[in-house]
Order: sequence, then C-alpha cells, then structure tokens
Amino acid sequence: EAGVVQSPRYKIIEKKQPVAFWCNPISGHNTLYWYLQNLGQGPELLIRYENEEAVDDSQLPKDRFSAERLKGVDSTLKIQPAELGDSAVYLCASSQRQGFGEQYFGPGTRLTVT
Amino acid sequence: GESVGLHLPTLSVQEGDNSIINCAYSNSASDYFIWYKQESGKGPQFIIDIRSNMDKRQGQRVTVLLNKTVKHLSLQIAATQPGDSAVYFCADLYNTDKLIFGTGTRLQVFP
Repeated sequence: EAGVVQSPRYKIIEKKQPVAFWCNPISGHNTLYWYLQNLGQGPELLIRYENEEAVDDSQLPKDRFSAERLKGVDSTLKIQPAELGDSAVYLCASSQRQGFGEQYFGPGTRLTVT
Repeated sequence: GESVGLHLPTLSVQEGDNSIINCAYSNSASDYFIWYKQESGKGPQFIIDIRSNMDKRQGQRVTVLLNKTVKHLSLQIAATQPGDSAVYFCADLYNTDKLIFGTGTRLQVFP
C-alpha cells in the first residue's frame, strides 16, 4: 500500500513569492490534515478536511495561506506571499476517519524562505 | 488550555539498554494518547497508543505507561537498537479530533 505522497520534498523561495505544496493521501482515507512543523517542535495542525470539506481551519493564517481539496482526494496548500517565518516543514497526513489517532504522515515538504 | 510536554530534549542510551521517554500533559480531560517516532527527513510514524481507561499497554519492544494521577505518560523501549534513534513525540487527541504534539525527545543510541 502506498503511503502519503507529498511534493516537492524541498523548496527554496524568496520572500514575497508564492509557493504551493501538493499531497496525495492514502487511498480510501477520507480525512486529510496539513501540519506545520518548526525545527525541534512537534507538528501543529493547520487544517483538516473531511472529504472535500474543511472542518477545522482555525489555525490556518488565512491572510496568506489557503488550501483546497476539490475532489476529496488530493490537496494543495498555498502560501502567498511567503514570509521568512514560514520556513518550516509542511506535513500532510491522512486517516480513514476523524477522531482516531492513527494518522499516516507523508515525508513533508521542507520550505526555506530567503 | 491543553499542552503536552516532554521532560528531556535528548536521551542517550547504549545499544541493548532499555530507554524511557517521559511526557507530561496538562489537560485532565485528555483521554487518548499516542506516541510517534520521527526519523530524520521523514514524517512521524505511529508507535503505540493508550486510552485513559488503561494504565499500561504493550507492543513489540515498546510499553506505554499512563499515570492519570500526575498526568504523566512514558514510553519504554526494550533492548534499544540503533534503528530506534529518532525523535519521539507524545500527542494528545484533543476533543477526539485534534492531535496536540509535544516538543519531542531525541533518542540517540550508542554502540
């Protein structure tokens, strides 16, 4: 069974530029999560989807961050414009349904904003 | 508010010894906890979980202990191997739909 796929794995951009991350969850997983992980810290939830509906985006900085999961499968997280403080690893995870701890994480996208 | 924290940022053990990683939580209403392992360049990987109606749960070479009185849980790894080297996070499933991760403990295994 393929795991959660993310791309790109690494991205370096200049501040004020836009950037987008893509995630393909495990087949059949209805719940998809985007997390932000700073160096030495645990992941922090940005947004959670149940199928195509964003059910928790309370931690998403909506002035510059946006996300979509149009067909309830793949998802894209976008930052526009990026700031220096956005440098971090962006993790995508999926689970069969909400409320269960066994979330499967992708390898993440390491973003560096210069 | 809820928080999940770890006592030690780095733990160094010799191969073959047992490892104990500790975690404290503050929300007395927390009822489900998970331990994750994160290797360099990878996402967190589920290790073991425990519900608040349990004090102990065992897996393959790992044991999680939960002490609700002092709001503390620990992860014990038996016969630690080089492949166990990673950062370990405890997490609290808050309100059944949000994982709250702690800072993490780096486990270093020496030959």
